[in-house]
Amino acid sequence: AQSVTQLDSQVPVFEEAPVELRCNYSSSVSVYLFWYVQYPNQGLQLLLKYLSGSTLVKGINGFEAEFNKSQTSFHLRKPSVHISDTAEYFCAVIPLSGSARQLTFGSGTQLTVLP
Amino acid sequence: DAGVIQSPRHEVTEMGQEVTLRCKPISGHNSLFWYRQTMMRGLELLIYFNNNVPIDDSGMPEDRFSAKMPNASFSTLKIQPSEPRDSAVYFCASSSTSGASYEQYFGPGTRLTVT
Repeated sequence: AQSVTQLDSQVPVFEEAPVELRCNYSSSVSVYLFWYVQYPNQGLQLLLKYLSGSTLVKGINGFEAEFNKSQTSFHLRKPSVHISDTAEYFCAVIPLSGSARQLTFGSGTQLTVLP
Repeated sequence: DAGVIQSPRHEVTEMGQEVTLRCKPISGHNSLFWYRQTMMRGLELLIYFNNNVPIDDSGMPEDRFSAKMPNASFSTLKIQPSEPRDSAVYFCASSSTSGASYEQYFGPGTRLTVT
């Protein structure tokens, strides 16, 4: 089984400041990793994903994430945030093998960008 | 592609009434997922289908909940009878198992209020 821990439930940050949203996972098998974003009153939208290759993954809206296998982490970063980045962010994993091919989500991090 | 389509977008009903939520997955996707999102419990997987067959319904809260997928382009989630604690946003998502990553695409959700 897999589990995902998002260490911060709420992250307030000022506009144009950098931000890091933390995600750690636990799994007995290799996994693919995802970050989804949910804007108010909308569904979840894929931000970026790590499948293989370079551990630094770039996504939409200037976000990037780095996969660290030894630390089982997949932290999300943005060097300069905008008001429009205010949303909830979910980290998720899916196993590469086995019969349970559904996503396991973290509990989410609410990013609030302040003017 | 129109993406995952859900209807209705909002539903207000009285306790004891039957509620049916509908989902049309992305054409060509063969996996479909129903999620429930609340402030208290976050994002919960209720059930998922692979090739129209229910694979895991362990997340369905109780017998009042049922889900069907009569064909590859349509699924329903039914609550009968509904209770105030069923109030939540219900998301449908679809994915393709022929791809490498199994990433899921979410619909806009149905906001259910049971009074």
